[in-house]
Amino acid sequence: TQLLEQSPQFLSIQEGENLTVYCNSSSVFSSLQWYRQEPGEGPVLLVTVVTGGEVKKLKRLTFQFGDARKDSSLHITAAQPGDTGLYLCAGQLNAGKSTFGDGTTLTVKP
Amino acid sequence: NAGVTQTPKFQVLKTGQSMTLQCAQDMNHEYMSWYRQDPGMGLRLIHYSVGAGITDQGEVPNGYNVSRSTTEDFPLRLLSAAPSQTSVYFCASSPLFWGGYNEQFFGPGTRLTVL
Repeated sequence: TQLLEQSPQFLSIQEGENLTVYCNSSSVFSSLQWYRQEPGEGPVLLVTVVTGGEVKKLKRLTFQFGDARKDSSLHITAAQPGDTGLYLCAGQLNAGKSTFGDGTTLTVKP
Repeated sequence: NAGVTQTPKFQVLKTGQSMTLQCAQDMNHEYMSWYRQDPGMGLRLIHYSVGAGITDQGEVPNGYNVSRSTTEDFPLRLLSAAPSQTSVYFCASSPLFWGGYNEQFFGPGTRLTVL
């Protein structure tokens, strides 16, 4: 059983559309990260959320941590082809080890 | 700074062979870890270390050994390669638990095929 469930698994949209991907769990996390991974490369950190209800913005990307710290979402406004990649969430139940979701593969078509 | 480096980038092994995947970081991070990534399965933790001389097992440690003699280096050893170990391997490092976070910096990966 996967501790962190990401949905959807695959998402294909046209340039300019908005989208939201989700990261859900039945466990409470002390913190949660979102990473983006491009083909043939390692994941790159986008953001960390720590406080329940926290919202962070990174240009066209908006990250939210659920009030109960069990879930998170990533919203992209006006998606661009450069946003294409695998989006991974990772959470810490306690200090140290991270557990990763299986990821959402996003394709943005020009 | 080079960040996290991994060698080799690609490797093909025969069943039963052994090899070491190298990982080095120049950011003076205490925490280092090894993951494997299989299609549709995200990243699974193999082994991790919170400092020189200290290592511990992750989710999928069987068939792998690690050691941490210096802060910079964290090699992963495959003892007797099996086809089930065909995967992409990532090494990562992070500052040790400041604020309880684990913001990891990843290497470019080693793509391993076991025939």
